[in-house]
Amino acid sequence: DTGVSQNPRHKITKRGQNVTFRCDPISEHNRLYWYRQTLGQGPEFLTYFQNEAQLEKSRLLSDRFSAERPKGSFSTLEIQRTEQGDSAMYLCASSLGETGLSYEQYFGPGTRLTVT
Amino acid sequence: SQQGEEDPQALSIQEGENATMNCSYKTSINNLQWYRQNSGRGLVHLILIRSNEREKHSGRLRVTLDTSKKSSSLLITASRAADTASYFCATDNPDSWGKLQFGAGTQVVVTP
Repeated sequence: DTGVSQNPRHKITKRGQNVTFRCDPISEHNRLYWYRQTLGQGPEFLTYFQNEAQLEKSRLLSDRFSAERPKGSFSTLEIQRTEQGDSAMYLCASSLGETGLSYEQYFGPGTRLTVT
Repeated sequence: SQQGEEDPQALSIQEGENATMNCSYKTSINNLQWYRQNSGRGLVHLILIRSNEREKHSGRLRVTLDTSKKSSSLLITASRAADTASYFCATDNPDSWGKLQFGAGTQVVVTP
């Protein structure tokens, strides 16, 4: 399967713990995005990368959140000192991208985080 | 904050009927995209329509875009039970190419 993959699919953690999620994009895609989705809502943008450069971060992304994309391949999203409000589905997407053009995004299955 | 707003929030139809849902947005866009999400599954891209296009078709799907009214519509013709899903519009804005802003979605239920 050459789609976007995410691991783990589910994560249950206690408040205050750190968690890390991984996303493997479609190999030829240079752009990678992270979104968060809560029940009954559409996804909310968190951050995105073009190759290894993080180009934009949402105001939603507090300093407890950090994302990396070393070497422009897979990406990790870490949440430190988790809070119950962090409980959500974390979605990763990838796409082609170039200056002045954007393309359809391909989403992974998501990582569902539950903070107890 | 979310850019797009879908209308209606929920839609229930029978197989074979057409389903129409609308999306309104607030600021200028580069393109508008429609996605489908089945219960418990990821988002699947349906159609991308650029700001200089007015209509686009893909199989049983027809999307229109009216930039003067800042609105788009998605029509699903001859619906099937497998079309049961949430449908989201997402806008890509000139100030941030690639960053999508989604609406809250329209939940569509197609009964046999």
